Amino acid sequence: DAGVIQSPRHEVTEMGQEVTLRCKPISGHDYLFWYRQTMMRGLELLIYFNNNVPIDDSGMPEDRFSAKMPNASFSTLKIQPSEPRDSAVYFCASTSFERGTQYFGPGTRLTVL
Amino acid sequence: TQLLEQSPQFLSIQEGENLTVYCNSSSVFSSLQWYRQEPGEGPVLLVTVVTGGEVKKLKRLTFQFGDARKDSSLHITAAQPGDTGLYLCIGSARQLTFGSGTQLTVLP
Repeated sequence: DAGVIQSPRHEVTEMGQEVTLRCKPISGHDYLFWYRQTMMRGLELLIYFNNNVPIDDSGMPEDRFSAKMPNASFSTLKIQPSEPRDSAVYFCASTSFERGTQYFGPGTRLTVL
Repeated sequence: TQLLEQSPQFLSIQEGENLTVYCNSSSVFSSLQWYRQEPGEGPVLLVTVVTGGEVKKLKRLTFQFGDARKDSSLHITAAQPGDTGLYLCIGSARQLTFGSGTQLTVLP
């Protein structure tokens, strides 16, 4: 299995630009999680989906952040407009049941100038 | 709000030394997972503990879940440079709760 795939691995953009992060979960996994990791705040859960439906988005920082899962094999996290404080590593993870082992992707390192 | 205090935050030791990392909470977890993360990679699961008092061993790593399922520890015996990384605990109850991580550096 290829594992969780994220793209791009690195993204550098200017403040105010739209950023779209992509994730392909492991085939057969019903749950998909988006996380943000920074030195200051550690690992934070942003949102998670079950069977393509958002279950808990209470971790989404503000309206500039949105996430979609149009089908079982693809999810996006969009930031519009981006700000320097959004700079972080964004991880996607998937699992076959809610309390199960989460398999993390390699992450997208986002830098907003 | 559930909190999971992880300590120490940073740890730098010599090869061959032993160390213990702690995750403590006032809340009860149905399970707790330990992950290790290497630079440029996502966290990788090391172990899941479920039962109060449970002890699991993974080679030189020993994981323990507190009797009340509020705390957990990770003990590494005879640390090696390959153990270097960020160790994370994640507690699971009605919601997921994250430790802040322990950055371990093992010097040769």
